Amino acid sequence: DTEVTQTPKHLVMGMTNKKSLKCEQHMGHRAMYWYKQKAKKPPELMFVYSYEKLSINESVPSRFSPECPNSSLLNLHLHALQPEDSALYLCASSPRGQITTDTQYFGPGTRLTVL
Amino acid sequence: EDQVTQSPEALRLQEGESSSLNCSYTVSGLRGLFWYRQDPGKGPEFLFTLYSAGEEKEKERLKATLTKKESFLHITAPKPEDSATYLCAVQETGTASKLTFGTGTRLQVTL
Repeated sequence: DTEVTQTPKHLVMGMTNKKSLKCEQHMGHRAMYWYKQKAKKPPELMFVYSYEKLSINESVPSRFSPECPNSSLLNLHLHALQPEDSALYLCASSPRGQITTDTQYFGPGTRLTVL
Repeated sequence: EDQVTQSPEALRLQEGESSSLNCSYTVSGLRGLFWYRQDPGKGPEFLFTLYSAGEEKEKERLKATLTKKESFLHITAPKPEDSATYLCAVQETGTASKLTFGTGTRLQVTL
């Protein structure tokens, strides 16, 4: 089973709202990732968690706040977003910590629209 | 800085018409090259991982190959259900698990 689940599938929010995206995997993977993908562009890495600790932050604005409560769950808290933040947000996981060439398995994504 | 370039940008094939997609990369040291398939509005689906020049992997109608500067994804006798965007991504030595993606090839297979 290589399933990564993400909720919600779609999210519409105003610029003053606070919302959260959720990602879960039950494969025992120890690294989890957030990517952002704009239309007709490739995914861009935002954050990496390795063994539940933040290990990479690709200079993402503070209006995006990641959280890894346990090894199976990854959240992305959103606050005061801008319309240009509208995108497909992808979660991924890989078996071991970040210092490997393990395959990353992606979830279906959350389509975010900021009005 | 890493650079991953995919060509062509878009490809239209008739069912059964074989072809190849190209992924060229310039990194100081390659740890791994990954191929994914992505359907519109969905997350990338893993296809292959290649680690060293000369390596080849096959799955159904797809075959991926790797040289020191590029990778090819060969599609033999494609079917309409192979229509998707195909992404390649590289992982460079010293960058931990960061994947750098190419811009993808949009493949359309018609009857």
